[in-house]
Amino acid sequence: SQQGEEDPQALSIQEGENATMNCSYKTSINNLQWYRQNSGRGLVHLILIRSNEREKHSGRLRVTLDTSKKSSSLLITASRAADTASYFCATDKYGNKLVFGAGTILRVKS
Amino acid sequence: NAGVTQTPKFQVLKTGQSMTLQCAQDMNHNSMYWYRQDPGMGLRLIYYSASEGTTDKGEVPNGYNVSRLNKREFSLRLESAAPSQTSVYFCASSDWNRGPKNIQYFGAGTRLSVL
Repeated sequence: SQQGEEDPQALSIQEGENATMNCSYKTSINNLQWYRQNSGRGLVHLILIRSNEREKHSGRLRVTLDTSKKSSSLLITASRAADTASYFCATDKYGNKLVFGAGTILRVKS
Repeated sequence: NAGVTQTPKFQVLKTGQSMTLQCAQDMNHNSMYWYRQDPGMGLRLIYYSASEGTTDKGEVPNGYNVSRLNKREFSLRLESAAPSQTSVYFCASSDWNRGPKNIQYFGAGTRLSVL
């Protein structure tokens, strides 16, 4: 069973627009991470937010975490064609193991 | 510094054949992982090795075996391949036991088809 579920499953936007993806999870967590996967490639870590943090920024990325609602969101501002990829949330409940969601496919049209 | 290297990149097997997927990391990480990725299902953990000399089952271990050969290498073996094992396989590593973070570094994947 999967801990995280992303919403929407797919998102198509114009270059320059903002993209927001959401992740919901079922049980308590230590950390939540977001990863990006370009087509045909492995996953790449983007950002980690701890369970005692509410918001975190990294460049054009903004992540929020609401532990009361068991949800997180990833905002990519001023999107570029190069942001086209699949995005996955991953929760860290069991210490050294991550549980991944099914992912959001983002397409940025130029 | 290559990171996580997986071989082969592509493989086609017939039902019942066996094969071993190889994974090596050069980041001196303690933990290594094998995942499979199927359309619409994200990544599912097959086996992991928290440290050299230990291995544990993940979410979908049936039909697979693993060997942590040394700190660098972690192999995944399919003893008798089945069409249900057609998937993309990813190896990852992390250094989780040096702190609370578990940031994983992934290889490029092995695309396996079982006919």
